[in-house]
Amino acid sequence: SAVISQKPSRDICQRGTSLTIQCQVDSQVTMMFWYRQQPGQSLTLIATANQGSEATYESGFVIDKFPISRPNLTFSTLTVSNMSPEDSSIYLCSGRDVQETQYFGPGTRLLVL
Amino acid sequence: QQPVQSPQAVILREGEDAVINCSSSKALYSVHWYRQKHGEAPVFLMILLKGGEQKGHEKISASFNEKKQQSSLYLTASQLSYSGTYFCGTVSRGSGNTGKLIFGQGTTLQVKP
Repeated sequence: SAVISQKPSRDICQRGTSLTIQCQVDSQVTMMFWYRQQPGQSLTLIATANQGSEATYESGFVIDKFPISRPNLTFSTLTVSNMSPEDSSIYLCSGRDVQETQYFGPGTRLLVL
Repeated sequence: QQPVQSPQAVILREGEDAVINCSSSKALYSVHWYRQKHGEAPVFLMILLKGGEQKGHEKISASFNEKKQQSSLYLTASQLSYSGTYFCGTVSRGSGNTGKLIFGQGTTLQVKP
């Protein structure tokens, strides 16, 4: 099974600033995704991180607000730009292996003041 | 389209059984089941890839009815450790193994001594 790590695990940020979250997978995955989860809620897909090309965003999420990179098969970053309190949430990185099993990182807890 | 889970919440005594259902309005390629405990990342339980498939994992098993676009998770002889929120995730048919995983709203399971 794949083990996914994320940095930072949590952060408190001021509105108007940006935060970049890093995601590292310990083995090759075919696909990587970024999700957001509000406390007590389900997981909402932000985008699919495509290796070497622009991410594919879900409705309601745009590249200017959530730029994503995936320079290789095992690493991806998500930036939350120009943050507002509404961006406070848990951001989870996810990777899918060749057996189509999808694993999740521990999440990054973001609080925007 | 988000799959629909039922029930929203279940309270059990140790040793009792529970069934959690997941229903989609779209034709499905696969169904994934996860358990999430408070403050932790979702943990993969199982994936069902073929209609009619049934899988087991200790005392937790699941079935996938492709024609009805439904899946059910069965928890038998529940233990305290089964407490948490269970999510089903679905990948729509046509997108295959590169499709995005969309989650239901979750079912909260509480097992009491």
